[in-house]
This record gives sequence, C-alpha cells and structure tokens, in this order.
Amino acid sequence: RKEVEQDPGPFNVPEGATVAFNCTYSNSASQSFFWYRQDCRKEPKLLMSVYSSGNEDGRFTAQLNRASQYISLLIRDSKLSDSATYLCAVNGYTGRRALTFGSGTRLQVQP
Amino acid sequence: DGGITQSPKYLFRKEGQNVTLSCEQNLNHDAMYWYRQDPGQGLRLIYYSQIVNDFQKGDIAEGYSVSREKKESFPLTVTSAQKNPTAFYLCASSDDSSYNEQFFGPGTRLTVL
Repeated sequence: RKEVEQDPGPFNVPEGATVAFNCTYSNSASQSFFWYRQDCRKEPKLLMSVYSSGNEDGRFTAQLNRASQYISLLIRDSKLSDSATYLCAVNGYTGRRALTFGSGTRLQVQP
Repeated sequence: DGGITQSPKYLFRKEGQNVTLSCEQNLNHDAMYWYRQDPGQGLRLIYYSQIVNDFQKGDIAEGYSVSREKKESFPLTVTSAQKNPTAFYLCASSDDSSYNEQFFGPGTRLTVL
C-alpha cells in the first residue's frame, strides 16, 4: 500500500459545481497535512495546510479525519482557473521532516 | 523579494555526464529538499538537509549527491550512475517550525539525450 494515495481523476466538472477530493495516508503517526496545487509543467504551490479542526479559505475547505486516516479538499463554485492537479502531502514526523506526496488528482473545470 | 531560485530551467545532458542543478533560497529557511517528479506521478524525495553541513538520503538517493555548505544553497548533482535521470527536479525549503510548510522553486527540467 502506498504511503499517500489519491484518485488520479480526471474530475471533469462544470463551472459553478462543488467538487471534493480525498487523500488517504497510511502512517497513523502523521502530524502535518497539506494540499498543493500544481499547474501543468510548473512547481507545486501551497494551497492550504490542513488542521485538526479543519480550515476554510474562501471557496476551499480542508478537513482531516484521523480515525479513518484521510484528508479532504472541497472546492465550491468551481472556476475555470481551478483546473489543475491537486497534490496532498503528509509529514510522517518520524524524525524526517520531508513531505510524502500523493500522485495528484487532476481537476478540469469546463465552461 | 524572498523566494527559491533554481537554475537552469531546462538542461540537456549526454549519457555518462554528471550535471549539477542549482538551488538557492533567501527565506532564511533551515531545511532544504530535493524531489524528483516523473510524468503523471507525484514527487519523490531524493535528499534533504535540516541544517548546514548535514544531509540525509531520501527514498531515491542512488545516483545523486548533494552538499550543504551554506544555509542558502543546496546543489544537486545527477551522476552518470543514475540510470533514468530524465525528469522534473524540484527544490523546496521550510523553516524549523513543527508544522513544516514547504515552498518550492520553479524546477529544472533535465533531459538526457
């Protein structure tokens, strides 16, 4: 089983739709969780950190479910500009501070 | 303007040649990282450094080497021992906080001819 798993998609949704992605992780000791956005042939950019209590930033909401070991990202009122690949990242905090990334979920928002 | 710079943006190498990728940051971050990304895949950790003059192997260190002589700089050498070096190489850095948000440079796209 991979350490961090994501549905690769693509998720094809119309503008204005609400879409949600999940990301499961295998290390129950993981401490830090993130969502990154990556545009084609560009570097990943930090979208949101995911806190235990969940957090919201405009149209984006991130949640953590420790019991089931997954994080989620909800995008409301999708825009064409949201089309990208969304990577989740997890820090296992076993003395190694580097992140482990999922393979990404591709979102295509259509007019 | 604080950030992470990587150079060159594109690099072409003949088989059997070593090549060094540059990564510099002016964010005053202690930790720096190198990842490799292949098409349609996530990022895989090559090496990381949590402090100057110290670094650790990641998940795919074979065929790569690094140095960390200065806090700002973490160059990666792709040696001829790396069997499949064509990939997108990403450098990242983070501060010493427990939460460890990482920020990425623009990447170097390496192609072996």
